[in-house]
Amino acid sequence: EDQVTQSPEALRLQEGESSSLNCSYTVSGLRGLFWYRQDPGKGPEFLFTLYSAGEEKEKERLKATLTKKESFLHITAPKPEDSATYLCAVHSFVPAGGTSYGKLTFGQGTILTVHP
Amino acid sequence: DTGVSQDPRHKITKRGQNVTFRCDPISEHNRLYWYRQTLGQGPEFLTYFQNEAQLEKSRLLSDRFSAERPKGSFSTLEIQRTEQGDSAMYLCASSSFPGVVNTEAFFGQGTRLTVV
Repeated sequence: EDQVTQSPEALRLQEGESSSLNCSYTVSGLRGLFWYRQDPGKGPEFLFTLYSAGEEKEKERLKATLTKKESFLHITAPKPEDSATYLCAVHSFVPAGGTSYGKLTFGQGTILTVHP
Repeated sequence: DTGVSQDPRHKITKRGQNVTFRCDPISEHNRLYWYRQTLGQGPEFLTYFQNEAQLEKSRLLSDRFSAERPKGSFSTLEIQRTEQGDSAMYLCASSSFPGVVNTEAFFGQGTRLTVV
């Protein structure tokens, strides 16, 4: 069974203080790793998809990287508007004869708070 | 707005009552997913449709839960005889059938269910 663990559970930063969020995963075979941002009371907002170890993607102050066991979401010089819960999810291959329909397995999220 | 739309946004119901939620996916997407999210946790997969066919259901989906997608467009999720443990955010997501390995799932704003 796929497992995704995110750390830390909560992170408080000062504006401009760069840091990283971690997503460790265990899957039978990774088809894709996804990062989402979720604001309170709203649905997750798609950020990135990573498909293979060594891949990196960037969007504004965010950069996502992937290894064979974990992914990092690096936040450079964060601003208060970056405060949100960041969710990591995996989509895995299934054993021979099985079918994958794109079901995602999520971690519990990291709550990021950026203080001005 | 061309995103995933969910209705209602909030629902308060008494224990034992039936409730129904609606999801309108992005128009060109033929994959539709329902997830459930409780406070402090990541979304958990409930069920999946490809066009009108329900192809996968989670063990989380008890016999009190039923989902339909009658014409391969909008979907409904019904919970019968609601229990307090059903209180959660119910999220709908959609994606397009891949010509590539993976395509991103886009989420709606969710329906917050409170059972009193």
